[in-house]
Amino acid sequence: AQTVTQSQPEMSVQEAETVTLSCTYDTSESNYYLFWYKQPPSRQMILVIRQEAYKQQNATENRFSVNFQKAAKSFSLKISDSQLGDTAMYFCAFTRISNFGNEKLTFGTGTRLTIIP
Amino acid sequence: DSGVTQTPKHLITATGQRVTLRCSPRSGDLSVYWYQQSLDQGLQFLIQYYNGEERAKGNILERFSAQQFPDLHSELNLSSLELGDSALYFCASNEGRWQETQYFGPGTRLLVL
Repeated sequence: AQTVTQSQPEMSVQEAETVTLSCTYDTSESNYYLFWYKQPPSRQMILVIRQEAYKQQNATENRFSVNFQKAAKSFSLKISDSQLGDTAMYFCAFTRISNFGNEKLTFGTGTRLTIIP
Repeated sequence: DSGVTQTPKHLITATGQRVTLRCSPRSGDLSVYWYQQSLDQGLQFLIQYYNGEERAKGNILERFSAQQFPDLHSELNLSSLELGDSALYFCASNEGRWQETQYFGPGTRLLVL
């Protein structure tokens, strides 16, 4: 079974600063995907970024980037130039690659991020 | 807007009752996933359907059941409701054949009194 651990329950940062959210995971699989989802106060789950384990290059989406360390099973999210709209709960998630298609997401417990004006 | 719709948005009911949550996946998506988000259990996978057939089961109680219809919409049925069933229930969808991102609906907030 896979587990996902987010060790920072809450974080806060000043607007325009950079913040890094941590995530570690445990799996015996060699092929998998990792995700960061954002849940703002509206409670909608929004995809932030995705990383395929077979790719060595770290994924980047505008101000959001990841540091994927496969050997260490670490998957951190960096938010640059943070904005008030980034205030949300952030969830790290894992899904394994299967020959039978897509499988479930396993989520961490989340990190509540507050951007301070 | 993810393209996944869920109804109703809110539901308030009493213990012992039965409710049905509905999900319409994105156009073209064959796979539907149901998740429960509660304060004590976090986000947990309940069940997955692919093109009308059950594909995988997670931590779904026997009091809960689901199905996916020929038009690909899905319903999650919760019966003999208990206070602890109060949660946010999400539906997500993707094409289901390759390793694609799951896109989430807005959720149904269930309150059992």
